[in-house]
Parts: sequence; structure tokens; C-alpha cells
Amino acid sequence: QSALTQPRSVSGSPGQSVTISCTGTSSDVGGYNYVSWYQQHPGKAPKLMIYDVSKRPSGVPDRFSGSKSGNTASLTISGLQAEDEADYYCCSYAGSPVFGGGTKLTVL
Amino acid sequence: QVQLQESGPGLVKPSQTLSLTCTVSGGSISSGGYYWSWIRQHPGKGLEWIGYIYYSGSTYYNPSLKSRVTISVDTSKNQFSLKLSSVTAADTAVYYCAREWELHWFDPWGQGTLVTVSS
Repeated sequence: QSALTQPRSVSGSPGQSVTISCTGTSSDVGGYNYVSWYQQHPGKAPKLMIYDVSKRPSGVPDRFSGSKSGNTASLTISGLQAEDEADYYCCSYAGSPVFGGGTKLTVL
Repeated sequence: QVQLQESGPGLVKPSQTLSLTCTVSGGSISSGGYYWSWIRQHPGKGLEWIGYIYYSGSTYYNPSLKSRVTISVDTSKNQFSLKLSSVTAADTAVYYCAREWELHWFDPWGQGTLVTVSS
């Protein structure tokens, strides 16, 4: 299993929207609607933000949304806030879970 | 709400076996419906799924680690454990336990524990 491909970094100003991509293959992202996204602040454990491509757990702001097209899943954060600055990881089912390499979001 | 807490030695010598335990509170491992996983994160790197166990004892491991990994469960203590044998410096990482839903997403996670492999 190869790790899913994410951009190393993205950035945006407060109030703007940013999108983080997660590219896999037809054997993982493209083959199942089983993509999840995690937010990780420095020194903290990852936190579930999105599951099953676009579902939001209770307590996650609706500024966070997920989607998928073909072999690429995306996490969009609208109305950027300073506290959104963190690392974000995607995960897909591929017979077993496989993670992306992570994307560092900087809020300018 | 369910909470998870990892425990175990923070330093392991090369070639020895890394052993960690995850204690689950606020819910029972035996209630079923979930899998209980170990995930690690090398310093400054991404996440790597190690494997999971169901309360019945059935397991599934990452093929890249399968030969060295054993995950077990103690339902009487509401705990599950990880053993990783023949460790090297490449196994130095923060190890997390997490509840796995439907075999593909994780919530919640433990706080993580750093394990360093060094003589």
C-alpha cells in the first residue's frame, strides 16, 4: 500500500477558503466512499473532522466539508480562522486503512 | 464518552520488544461494533496504521509490519495491547491507540506516547 498524496502545504488568509487534496488510486480513494480527514495540532492527537467522504461528526463546524471526484478526495475549509492552522491528514480504505502524508495549513 | 490512554515504556533497546497498553474508559470494548487500533507517527512524519483487534480477538495487521506485530485484548480490564518485536531506530515514533469504526475511520484517539528505540 502506498501512502495517499497530499500537498505538503497550503495557506490562506482569515475568512478565505482553502482546499486540500488527497490523491490515490482506484484501489483506495476511487474504489470506496471511505475517506476520512483528521486535524492535528502540534503535540496533539489527530481529531476526526470528516468521515465517509463528506460526513461531519457532531461538534465539527460546518466550515469543514469533504468531497470526492474519481481518485481524488478534497477537504475544504471555508471562513478560515486562526485555530484552523494545523496539519491535516486524509485516510482511505484500501483493504486496510492508508493515510496521506499530511498537509500543513498556514493561516496568514 | 469513550476515552483512550496509552501506557508503556518510553525507551526500548534495539532488537527488543516494544510493549504498549491502551486502556479504554467510558465504554466497554466488549460491547462490539468497533475495532480497536494502533497507529504510529514517526517524528515529523505522517501516520501509519499498525493493526486492529476486535473484542473477540480477531486481528488484522498492516502487511508491512505483520511479521513483527501482535495485538491482544483483555476484556476484563477493558484494555488492548501492542507488541512489536525486533525493534530498530526506525520504530521510534509516537504510538496512538484509537477506536476504529467500520474498518476505515478513527475516533477517538488516545493522546499518544513517544517510544524511542535506543541503546
